[in-house]
Parts: sequence; structure tokens; C-alpha cells
Amino acid sequence: GAVVSQHPSWVICKSGTSVKIECRSLDFQATTMFWYRQFPKQSLMLMATSNEGSKATYEQGVEKDKFLINHASLTLSTLTVTSAHPEDSSFYICSARGIQAANTEAFFGQGTRLTVV
Amino acid sequence: QKEVEQDPGPLSVPEGAIVSLNCTYSNSAFQYFMWYRQYSRKGPELLMYTYSSGNKEDGRFTAQVDKSSKYISLFIRDSQPSDSATYLCAMSEQGAQKLVFGQGTRLTINP
Repeated sequence: GAVVSQHPSWVICKSGTSVKIECRSLDFQATTMFWYRQFPKQSLMLMATSNEGSKATYEQGVEKDKFLINHASLTLSTLTVTSAHPEDSSFYICSARGIQAANTEAFFGQGTRLTVV
Repeated sequence: QKEVEQDPGPLSVPEGAIVSLNCTYSNSAFQYFMWYRQYSRKGPELLMYTYSSGNKEDGRFTAQVDKSSKYISLFIRDSQPSDSATYLCAMSEQGAQKLVFGQGTRLTINP
């Protein structure tokens, strides 16, 4: 299957700092990427849908100024957690669908475990 | 009522057993159905992808979709301890970007 690479796989940061997570589709072009948050033993919670060249669409309750998403190319989307706080500690996962976005398989990155101390 | 219902388990079976994982859904517009396997602290891995109703087989895995009953299943034959993971169903409408996920079922295969 297609490969989506997410980096870093884990990060520890101090409270108040910002952290950037990268998501790359390695062997296909992804017009649309998705960012999820997952709490222990729970399913995926969609945070935002990222479209190449345009602003991300955030789900209700997700602070767009706190979780900055940039989708500068067809193979790269980034999520920046700004002014991180301990409650932002979580597992963040990106996903990408093919260039048609709809009606294609969705592939996931390896996930990033963020710990804010 | 959630759009997609999936029994969270946990489900524990002996090695070699046939495992049946299921999801029900309420949105009749769903056309695309996926099953993912997620190991602890890893991203979900796509196992099966099906369109509309019918069966699809890949090795030890078989996915079934019954749109008339709004019910999908994943069967695992000759289950192995390495199959121990959380299994997530996901689905989407024709032309939709977003996937709707089930809660995930935690499966343990006992040697």
C-alpha cells in the first residue's frame, strides 16, 4: 500500500513552546490530508481536513489558532501545536487520501506521541 | 445514536480460531468501507478496502459488506498472536473526503 511518513514519532517539549509535526505522502500525491488526535483506548478524533493550497477546515471545538495546519504541497502537510500545554499531550496521527481524495483508500502515518511537560 | 457502531470488546480468542469483527451503521449513503489494524502506539494500517456490497478476500482476511442490513464484517482465519491489535472500521459516502470511524475493537489472540 501507499506510504505516509510522519515525523517525529515522539516528542517531549516544555510548556509554552511550539511543536511542528510533518506528514508526507511518499509515493502518491495527496490533495487532502487529515489530522487526528487519539486518546488512550479511544478511536480517532478528526481535528481538521487539510487541502493543498488552501486553508484547513477545522472540526467543531478545535482551536485553529492553537493547531496551525499548513499544506504547502501535494505531498506535505504540517501541524504546529502552538504554546503547548500539558493537556495537549496526546497521540497525533495524519492521514492522506489519493489525489481525488474522495472514493480512495486513506493511508495513515505512524503517529506522533506528544508529551508536554 | 452514533453513525457507526462497533463493539469495543475486548475480544480474546485462542490461536487458530476464526475471528469475526463487525460494525453497523445508520447512514445508507455510505459506499466505501475500510478496515484498519492498529497496534499500540502506532498509526492505523489499512487491511481491506471495499466498495458497495459483497465480499473481498486477502490472505487470511475476508471483508463482507451487507448494505441492505447496514452491516460490515471482517473475518480473520487461522488467527495468530501477531493479529492482536485494535481493529477499526471506517466508511465514507460517495464523493466525501472524510471517513467516519467505529470505536475500534481490541482483539487479543492467546497462544
